Amino acid sequence: NAGVMQNPRHLVRRRGQEARLRCSPMKGHSHVYWYRQLPEEGLKFMVYLQKENIIDESGMPKERFSAEFPKEGPSILRIQQVVRGDSAAYFCASSPPSAPGQEQFFGPGTRLTVL
Amino acid sequence: AQKITQTQPGMFVQEKEAVTLDCTYDTSDQSYGLFWYKQPSSGEMIFLIYQGSYDEQNATEGRYSLNFQKARKSANLVISASQLGDSAMYFCAPTGGGNKLTFGTGTQLKVEL
Repeated sequence: NAGVMQNPRHLVRRRGQEARLRCSPMKGHSHVYWYRQLPEEGLKFMVYLQKENIIDESGMPKERFSAEFPKEGPSILRIQQVVRGDSAAYFCASSPPSAPGQEQFFGPGTRLTVL
Repeated sequence: AQKITQTQPGMFVQEKEAVTLDCTYDTSDQSYGLFWYKQPSSGEMIFLIYQGSYDEQNATEGRYSLNFQKARKSANLVISASQLGDSAMYFCAPTGGGNKLTFGTGTQLKVEL
């Protein structure tokens, strides 16, 4: 039973480019969460999605950031026109429909570096 | 916003000794959960233990146990028989305002011979 998968593991972008981060939840999990970890800090919640629905995006920056979790395929976190301050580790977590929020298992993270 | 306090930025413990990592929180939710995660230097987040606010017994998972004091809003992690591989950053994270986790600033644990 594969865990939460994220790719790429490392992503380098130049300022102004777009970054797309992908997350495949654990089998049977229908809830996905995205978190961001800046250097030397704890993780900060960004967005909570179920299939085809954004449930809570209170942690998402108002501009340049968007997330989706389509009916088929992985969840995508998209950052447009990246800036140096977007450099961080981005973690995805998933939980099953039977226990939303009770069991959040994390992927290995995508480390984004903006040059 | 919910505030999580981990007062020990760094801790040292000798191998085979027990260590307690502190965590307090200030949720106003009646029903919530408490997670502890470990983040080694390799960066991944490893789930350690979970406690529901209505669980009467303190959670235990192998060498990990929670000292959960609901009235004090405290959920300290106890690691028994520390091992060198326990050296890592440890984060406390209650659920709040729905299912999202709010993480503390973490405690860096170093296990010494």
